[in-house]
Amino acid sequence: DSGVTQTPKHLITATGQRVTLRCSPRSGDLSVYWYQQSLDQGLQFLIHYYNGEERAKGNILERFSAQQFPDLHSELNLSSLELGDSALYFCASSVGSGKGSPLHFGNGTRLTVT
Amino acid sequence: DQQVKQNSPSLSVQEGRISILNCDYTNSMFDYFLWYKKYPAEGPTFLISISSIKDKNEDGRFTVFLNKSAKHLSLHIVPSQPGDSAVYFCAASEFTGANSKLTFGKGITLSVRP
Repeated sequence: DSGVTQTPKHLITATGQRVTLRCSPRSGDLSVYWYQQSLDQGLQFLIHYYNGEERAKGNILERFSAQQFPDLHSELNLSSLELGDSALYFCASSVGSGKGSPLHFGNGTRLTVT
Repeated sequence: DQQVKQNSPSLSVQEGRISILNCDYTNSMFDYFLWYKKYPAEGPTFLISISSIKDKNEDGRFTVFLNKSAKHLSLHIVPSQPGDSAVYFCAASEFTGANSKLTFGKGITLSVRP
């Protein structure tokens, strides 16, 4: 158990809808990262928050947004969903934000857009 | 453009033999490299890492080798065990000021035959 909790585990929704994925980092971790894993793709970095502040953005679509709350949990909001958004979404946390802080991943949320 | 490449999608080895998983990268600014292991229905878990100032790091049955001039790293598992069967992701980190961004390869599926 990595200590990172992601909810829900599975989500099935229709095109055009909006969903929210939730992540609770390990106790004491200040950094939260979001990654997307599509079929036959590696883990694509979406966004990084550190102690409530956005630190880095990756290949995150404008239809997607995220935030990290004062209690350090994070939410990833996906709107105007398209079939191609179907993927595994992973949250990861780390103590710091530098290279010496390995990421600890949750078990992911599997999103299916029909 | 994939900056971290794991060109072999799968590898099958006999139990007790050596498993060698390869990874190539293109970005010369990467200065820290990590391997993650992923079982089905779970998130990736950190396995081993190496700094760009080293050429080898060993942790039990796992050794990572880095060849900076060739922009190549490899993970050696000796001896391989059936429990090592999983997807292995190579990842590279580029530290940019206050934070680092982790770039993942697509993963290699390792099967260890009893």
